[in-house]
Amino acid sequence: DAGITQSPRHKVTETGTPVTLRCHQTENHRYMYWYRQDPGHGLRLIHYSYGVKDTDKGEVSDGYSVSRSKTEDFLLTLESATSSQTSVYFCAITDTSNTGELFFGEGSRLTVL
Amino acid sequence: AQSVTQLGSHVSVSEGALVLLRCNYSSSVPPYLFWYVQYPNQGLQLLLKYTSAATLVKGINGFEAEFKKSETSFHLTKPSAHMSDAAEYFCAVSSGNQFYFGTGTSLTVIP
Repeated sequence: DAGITQSPRHKVTETGTPVTLRCHQTENHRYMYWYRQDPGHGLRLIHYSYGVKDTDKGEVSDGYSVSRSKTEDFLLTLESATSSQTSVYFCAITDTSNTGELFFGEGSRLTVL
Repeated sequence: AQSVTQLGSHVSVSEGALVLLRCNYSSSVPPYLFWYVQYPNQGLQLLLKYTSAATLVKGINGFEAEFKKSETSFHLTKPSAHMSDAAEYFCAVSSGNQFYFGTGTSLTVIP
């Protein structure tokens, strides 16, 4: 199994509070992604990274920011959580864009009350 | 932008019956296509991928998919469903550094 760890796995928070989700990999893969999964929407890309300090927005990036200061860590931050950000968040990695297999973490379930 | 459409959010088959999950893609260039499976409370794992080699792609657990350019389709099949195949299945297309997923098809296997 690919070495991907997401933390926390479960979090309940209140509207307006900041939240940071962490994705840690031990594979030294270049590309890292944050997706959110919601019923009826499948997986939607929030942000991705193609190297240390190199990130770009996905299709649902509003309200989210990311940082990647080391190859192995990709952080997703909700500056001020809203109920619409209640979701399951998945981190994924790959070493080769386009043709490479995406390896997924086990997900982080976030509930915003 | 690339996109994939999965027809049927829920599919039920009897154990031993043919599994057919549909996926159509939109792409202006030859695509790279993937099928992923997700079991409850887990992340996604790769079933198979098409990267412009053979049009019939074989994956794990007896699944296969056929790339049909004329129909812009990449349907997933398995000749005989097993109870352990019950899961959610996602079709995906990649372009540039991004992967785009369909909305998923939940497969139920009836004993």
